[in-house]
Amino acid sequence: KNQVEQSPQSLIILEGKNCTLQCNYTVSPFSNLRWYKQDTGRGPVSLTIMTFSENTKSNGRYTATLDADTKQSSLHITASQLSDSASYICVVSDTGGFKTIFGAGTRLFVKA
Amino acid sequence: NAGVTQTPKFQVLKTGQSMTLQCAQDMNHNSMYWYRQDPGMGLRLIYYSASEGTTDKGEVPNGYNVSRLNKREFSLRLESAAPSQTSVYFCASRDRGLMGNVLTFGAGSRLTVL
Repeated sequence: KNQVEQSPQSLIILEGKNCTLQCNYTVSPFSNLRWYKQDTGRGPVSLTIMTFSENTKSNGRYTATLDADTKQSSLHITASQLSDSASYICVVSDTGGFKTIFGAGTRLFVKA
Repeated sequence: NAGVTQTPKFQVLKTGQSMTLQCAQDMNHNSMYWYRQDPGMGLRLIYYSASEGTTDKGEVPNGYNVSRLNKREFSLRLESAAPSQTSVYFCASRDRGLMGNVLTFGAGSRLTVL
């Protein structure tokens, strides 16, 4: 069964600290993996997209990694800011274009 | 440049009532989607439209109908609302076929069925 599992479910960190969110998937055959940020009361917004051949991609203070062999991805946030408080959703698609599976998300709280 | 616009943002219904969620995009995207988001779960696809004039069922289509009115607009209808349909609904669009490029989401519509 195609699945996307994210951990932790929620995370509290202090402003200025770094954190790493995890995503494990079983979607096959794999096409691409995306990380989205969803602010409270808003729709998800794309942060990064990675294909099979890419293992690192950065977007400002956000760096995503992908290990297609172990089917794992991580999203690293550097020097967190209060505005980083949001849910982060991992989304995996298959090559046939028939399946796009969303993880349940990690809820990040950044405290002053 | 509004992107994807959904209405209404909030709605409360009684069991058995009907309603339509409206969605419009101004990015000339071909594909449009309706998802629902429930606590502790990932977004689940209700229906999608790969292009104007076509619609297909997603993962959880029961209790819903859709209409792709034109290239811009894709509506979701609940004919007889049930408490299990209490959720946050998101419309999204994408510009290249089913898989190309990223999804652009609306702000969501929070529906409560009593």
